[in-house]
Amino acid sequence: AQSVTQLGSHVSVSEGALVLLRCNYSSSVPPYLFWYVQYPNQGLQLLLKYTSAATLVKGINGFEAEFKKSETSFHLTKPSAHMSDAAEYFCAVGGGNKLTFGTGTQLKVEL
Amino acid sequence: GAVVSQHPSRVICKSGTSVKIECRSLDFQATTMFWYRQFPKQSLMLMATSNEGSKATYEQGVEKDKFLINHASLTLSTLTVTSAHPEDSSFYICSARDRDTQYFGPGTRLTVL
Repeated sequence: AQSVTQLGSHVSVSEGALVLLRCNYSSSVPPYLFWYVQYPNQGLQLLLKYTSAATLVKGINGFEAEFKKSETSFHLTKPSAHMSDAAEYFCAVGGGNKLTFGTGTQLKVEL
Repeated sequence: GAVVSQHPSRVICKSGTSVKIECRSLDFQATTMFWYRQFPKQSLMLMATSNEGSKATYEQGVEKDKFLINHASLTLSTLTVTSAHPEDSSFYICSARDRDTQYFGPGTRLTVL
């Protein structure tokens, strides 16, 4: 069975500050890991994915995530937050078959 | 690339009527599509997996006779909510699989009066 835990349902940062959204996973097989972003009343947009290649994955909009097997983590970071980054972020494990989502983290960016 | 569309984006219907939602992969073929339901401020709940040319696989607790899924082509899956009731009001999102990744549609807001 696979599962994902996102620590912090709400994260607030100042514009220009570092964004860190936490994701820990549990998987009995080498996982595929994903980060998606959801803006209000919209579907999910793929930010980045890890599929057993490079452990540091770069995505769209300046986001990146590092796969750390020893910590079973896949935290999402961005060096400098922008107002447009305010959204709901979901970490997911799985892939072509079933995806198991975390409960989401609402990112708020303040001036 | 990897664009998925949904139609309609928003629908309001009367209790007891049926509503059909379409999910299309626009620039790739998808043998597998997925239907999710999302409640306010919550994560996505997988309802069913739709495979082209075969019957859908429903998750436990999802009524297959109420949520009819058809995947007649490699680019189109439909979800029909039959005899809709107010408790079926929700945000429905589809996704289409391209190799190891699911790409999501923009969602459909269903309101049943």
